[in-house]
Amino acid sequence: AQKITQTQPGMFVQEKEAVTLDCTYDTSDPSYGLFWYKQPSSGEMIFLIYQGSYDQQNATEGRYSLNFQKARKSANLVISASQLGDSAMYFCAMREGTNKLIFGTGTLLAVQP
Amino acid sequence: NAGVMQNPRHLVRRRGQEARLRCSPMKGHSHVYWYRQLPEEGLKFMVYLQKENIIDESGMPKERFSAEFPKEGPSILRIQQVVRGDSAAYFCASSPLTGQQETQYFGPGTRLLVL
Repeated sequence: AQKITQTQPGMFVQEKEAVTLDCTYDTSDPSYGLFWYKQPSSGEMIFLIYQGSYDQQNATEGRYSLNFQKARKSANLVISASQLGDSAMYFCAMREGTNKLIFGTGTLLAVQP
Repeated sequence: NAGVMQNPRHLVRRRGQEARLRCSPMKGHSHVYWYRQLPEEGLKFMVYLQKENIIDESGMPKERFSAEFPKEGPSILRIQQVVRGDSAAYFCASSPLTGQQETQYFGPGTRLLVL
């Protein structure tokens, strides 16, 4: 069974609009961490945002926020005021066990002018 | 403060040769992780090391692959007798401590092409 599921292979968004990238996860461990990474066409992996399973509030980092719904096991990434430079592949990941990250298959976001 | 460094950035090998990938973690980080990204896929965990110790190698192929993180020097991922299926991007990440809140910071990756 998939531990991290990203159901959107690709998304379009208009510049300056907000966009939500979906991520659901599956774990029986009460303590876990959820991450989002951005991979632009240049290939590097850029850390965006982190949410701990015990955190009471949704994480925010600038234009990025994480919509954490624990009961639904979802950790969607919201990007506000999209910019052309946001066009990239976005990966959701979950930390489990010995700190290894389990990645989803990614969502390719294209920001249109 | 330099980030995670990996070299080489690109590596071309013929089938049967050996590939050595190096990773220098961020300053102050003592935990190193290796991941592999096949074309059009997400990253897959390979191995987690601390200095001189392998903590978790559950993602490592049983043969031809090995990893080390010596007391001095970078972490090395070694692939012996490479095959075309080894062609992928190999990413190293590091974190300062263990724990749920520790973010892993990634290097730029090494793109291995096996001809």
